Amino acid sequence: DGGITQSPKYLFRKEGQNVTLSCEQNLNHDAMYWYRQDPGQGLRLIYYSQIVNDFQKGDIAEGYSVSREKKESFPLTVTSAQKNPTAFYLCASSQTPGQAYDEQYFGPGTRLTVT
Amino acid sequence: GNSVTQMEGPVTLSEEAFLTINCTYTATGYPSLFWYVQYPGEGLQLLLKATKADDKGSNKGFEATYRKETTSFHLEKGSVQVSDSAVYFCALSSPDTGRRALTFGSGTRLQVQP
Repeated sequence: DGGITQSPKYLFRKEGQNVTLSCEQNLNHDAMYWYRQDPGQGLRLIYYSQIVNDFQKGDIAEGYSVSREKKESFPLTVTSAQKNPTAFYLCASSQTPGQAYDEQYFGPGTRLTVT
Repeated sequence: GNSVTQMEGPVTLSEEAFLTINCTYTATGYPSLFWYVQYPGEGLQLLLKATKADDKGSNKGFEATYRKETTSFHLEKGSVQVSDSAVYFCALSSPDTGRRALTFGSGTRLQVQP
């Protein structure tokens, strides 16, 4: 079955450590996205990539980094510079980055807790 | 910039009641509009979409009509079930922005009681 996988589902880290969240898709989609969700809030865009080896900052990119070396993979690193990293992180993809009508497909999410 | 405003929740209904969740938007150009649903601890699933004015999106008994004159995309269902309990997000994608990422509302939690 085609879809998006995120691992792990739950992740715990100590403050000051970098952590990388995995996102893999086998939908053959060109565009991929990372969102952050906080309790009772909508999703906010961290980074997005419309093509391999290219990515752009979203609304809350500070303290995060990404890479897009392969079409199917878009890992997100939460660095120690991120002041409030505890959140639910969602990865998404869409087929045609140039089309506004193109819906996004979401992974199951990773819940990161930093103490 | 683009923005989406949803009615605050939680919305609590009895089974078989009529559901309306209001959504209004601000966007440049002619955005596409979406409703997503999120069940506890899971990612988002597309519920329905509409890509131009007066389009009606529908799925699983849910409907929403793209109203450009009122900049609205209200979600409706005639008879809710306990299994519809979830958080519902209204979102838009504007063709006038370069990134094509979605702009989300804050979500509305629906609780359906048996």
